[in-house]
Amino acid sequence: ELKVEQNPLFLSMQEGKNYTIYCNYSTTSDRLYWYRQDPGKSLESLFVLLSNGAVKQEGRLMASLDTKARLSTLHITAAVHDLSATYFCAVSFTGTASKLTFGTGTRLQVTL
Amino acid sequence: NAGVTQTPKFQVLKTGQSMTLQCAQDMNHNSMYWYRQDPGMGLRLIYYSASEGTTDKGEVPNGYNVSRLNKREFSLRLESAAPSQTSVYFCASSYVGLWGYTFGSGTRLTVV
Repeated sequence: ELKVEQNPLFLSMQEGKNYTIYCNYSTTSDRLYWYRQDPGKSLESLFVLLSNGAVKQEGRLMASLDTKARLSTLHITAAVHDLSATYFCAVSFTGTASKLTFGTGTRLQVTL
Repeated sequence: NAGVTQTPKFQVLKTGQSMTLQCAQDMNHNSMYWYRQDPGMGLRLIYYSASEGTTDKGEVPNGYNVSRLNKREFSLRLESAAPSQTSVYFCASSYVGLWGYTFGSGTRLTVV
């Protein structure tokens, strides 16, 4: 079964703190993506990770991929309120062409 | 603006009514997709079209039909709406095997 699990589902964090969102998937993948969704809005692409050990960074967000562990992480450094959103990981499993299987999402709330 | 255009943005249907959600992209992408988003469940694939002239079922196809009218347009039809189809529907497009999806702005559908 093709499954993508994210945790935590909800994360409330103070500004200035660091935290990590985890994304586990069930079998071999070709690519892993991270998306951001603001309330009532569409999904915005953040990162695409192609190979084992890949690391991408944009501002306070850093994503990494460990294909052996079937794990990706999204690390938030010194959170600010503007990062409040829901974050999804999505996996293109090997042999499924370009279809993406999404995780359940992590709703991040950054408070003062 | 270039991208994926979905219509309508909001719709309320009575149980048993039918409707078609429209999606068009102007990025010359090969593949198009319909997802539904429900709270706590992430995005689930309804149908996809890997290329013009082909369509295939995703994870939750029951109660839906699709048409890939041409390379630009991919519509989703609900023949007899049910309350369980109350959801937010997203259309997306991509090049096969490349940089993930571009999403439309979504259609918020309520079936009463």
